[in-house]
Amino acid sequence: EDKVVQSPLSLVVHEGDTVTLNCSYEVTNFRSLLWYKQEKKAPTFLFMLTSSGIEKKSGRLSSILDKKELFSILNITATQTGDSAIYLCAVAPNTDKLIFGTGTRLQVFP
Amino acid sequence: DTEVTQTPKHLVMGMTNKKSLKCEQHMGHRAMYWYKQKAKKPPELMFVYSYEKLSINESVPSRFSPECPNSSLLNLHLHALQPEDSALYLCASSQPGNTPQHFGDGTRLSIL
Repeated sequence: EDKVVQSPLSLVVHEGDTVTLNCSYEVTNFRSLLWYKQEKKAPTFLFMLTSSGIEKKSGRLSSILDKKELFSILNITATQTGDSAIYLCAVAPNTDKLIFGTGTRLQVFP
Repeated sequence: DTEVTQTPKHLVMGMTNKKSLKCEQHMGHRAMYWYKQKAKKPPELMFVYSYEKLSINESVPSRFSPECPNSSLLNLHLHALQPEDSALYLCASSQPGNTPQHFGDGTRLSIL
């Protein structure tokens, strides 16, 4: 059975800290791995990763995929209170389907 | 605000009512999705439409009936729902193939 596991489930940090969120997966016919940020409503797209070892970067956020070890990490440097959210990892085993992990709840305090 | 628009934002209905959720996108995407999200859980896929044809139904009960009238619109018709169907219903769209899905803000549904 396809599955996506995220860790930690919850993380509490202070502003300025650096955090690393983990996502491991077991899926057949892997196509891509995606990271989303969900605050109160819509999950918003962060990154899509298809190739191992190529870092994707957007401001203070970055992500990398290891297809041999079947995991990805999402790094956030110099965290801000606005980074507080649930971060969802999802894997696409075929063209039209996403399998989500349970998410990591990040709380950033001033 | 997202580029995928869902209406209504909130809906309260009785178990005998019939209602519809609506989703609209103007990004030219040809794949559209319905997800159900319970509190503190990730989104769960319900249906996928690709080029206006139903391509995936994740064994969803027949009290949920999807409809895709055209490439920009996606509806979810609801009838005789149960209290456990109370959840956030998210619509998403993408180009068919390996592209990111973009989500609407959802409809928060409560069944009395």
